[in-house]
Amino acid sequence: DAGVTQSPTHLIKTRGQQVTLRCSPKSGHDTVSWYQQALGQGPQFIFQYYEEEERQRGNFPDRFSGHQFPNYSSELNVNALLLGDSALYLCASSFRRGVYNEQFFGPGTRLTVL
Amino acid sequence: AQSVTQPDIHITVSEGASLELRCNYSYGATPYLFWYVQSPGQGLQLLLKYFSGDTLVQGIKGFEAEFKRSQSSFNLRKPSVHWSDAAEYFCAVGALGAGGSYIPTFGRGTSLIVHP
Repeated sequence: DAGVTQSPTHLIKTRGQQVTLRCSPKSGHDTVSWYQQALGQGPQFIFQYYEEEERQRGNFPDRFSGHQFPNYSSELNVNALLLGDSALYLCASSFRRGVYNEQFFGPGTRLTVL
Repeated sequence: AQSVTQPDIHITVSEGASLELRCNYSYGATPYLFWYVQSPGQGLQLLLKYFSGDTLVQGIKGFEAEFKRSQSSFNLRKPSVHWSDAAEYFCAVGALGAGGSYIPTFGRGTSLIVHP
């Protein structure tokens, strides 16, 4: 059973560009969350998708947007990249029903903005 | 708003020694608490979680944590550390969001270094 997968592994962009990161959830999961982890920091919640809609959002600007597809996979898009967007971007999947929706994390995409 | 403090940025222990990683949280209601481990190049793996009930929680890889409401703490312990335990450890508190899911708020992490 494949866990959460993310692509690409690494990415280098320049300021002002746009980037798209991809995530495939663990089999059986229907909810995808995205996190940004800056160097030396803990992950910060960006947003969560369920039933192809954004359900919850953290304190991130509108430059960060996402999408969820019918097969539950998801994309994170970041426009007008800033140097401060350099980070590890983590995707986590979960099954919505239950007392607590335990999240399973992927290995992340390392984004470097030059 | 909820928050997590991990006061130790780095912890160094010798292999075979005991370990305690500290975590303090701030949350207005009954907290859902977690410890995750992150090895280089890998995502976060859940070690253990506390929702309610017994305040001493057992996790994977021989780890345990104790919830102390009076101290707002959820410290992680292991009686004998192995070299493979060297990693980054994150404490998190889960809060119910507007979308109906629990979203973890993470501390900044504690880096565990294990000497042979």
